[in-house]
Amino acid sequence: AQSVSQHNHHVILSEAASLELGCNYSYGGTVNLFWYVQYPGQHLQLLLKYFSGDPLVKGIKGFEAEFIKSKFSFNLRKPSVQWSDTAEYFCAVKNYGQNFVFGPGTRLSVLP
Amino acid sequence: SAVISQKPSRDICQRGTSLTIQCQVDSQVTMMFWYRQQPGQSLTLIATANQGSEATYESGFVIDKFPISRPNLTFSTLTVSNMSPEDSSIYLCSVVQTYEQYFGPGTRLTVT
Repeated sequence: AQSVSQHNHHVILSEAASLELGCNYSYGGTVNLFWYVQYPGQHLQLLLKYFSGDPLVKGIKGFEAEFIKSKFSFNLRKPSVQWSDTAEYFCAVKNYGQNFVFGPGTRLSVLP
Repeated sequence: SAVISQKPSRDICQRGTSLTIQCQVDSQVTMMFWYRQQPGQSLTLIATANQGSEATYESGFVIDKFPISRPNLTFSTLTVSNMSPEDSSIYLCSVVQTYEQYFGPGTRLTVT
């Protein structure tokens, strides 16, 4: 069965620092990959997704993610974080015909 | 994109009682999903609710504890029965539309 791991449980950064959150999944084949964000007190929102094509995908709010098939990874990046990026970030993977599988989440705290 | 609402947004319940959570979607969808997000943890799929058929439960979740109704293509309910403090969690309704997953705002349940 598919499983998703995220490298960090809690990341603390200062404003303007660069961000990279790791995500790896266990099962290959055709996968759709997603990053969701949950701001404090709010519901989950889609940040970006990869279905096919260019492995570097750009999402909202300056986020991007790179799909590296050989490494089963889909890391999230942002060159310069803001205090408003403080949130919980979830990586999710969907194989064809299967349900979404979510990673454990990474809490990002950005210090002003 | 799908817009999902849930009622109630939060509740505090006594041990041994039951709570029914409602989920309304602004468009017709084939499958609706119920997730649980326990404090500090990721999302765990409880069951998939299909209109006109029995819900499909994931390992560790049973119909007697989490009965689900799906009377039409825009509405579903999840009941948390005979609650215990371990059921304290956020319960999320979700749908998939054009390969993307959308989430409701969640119902925060506290069992005392």
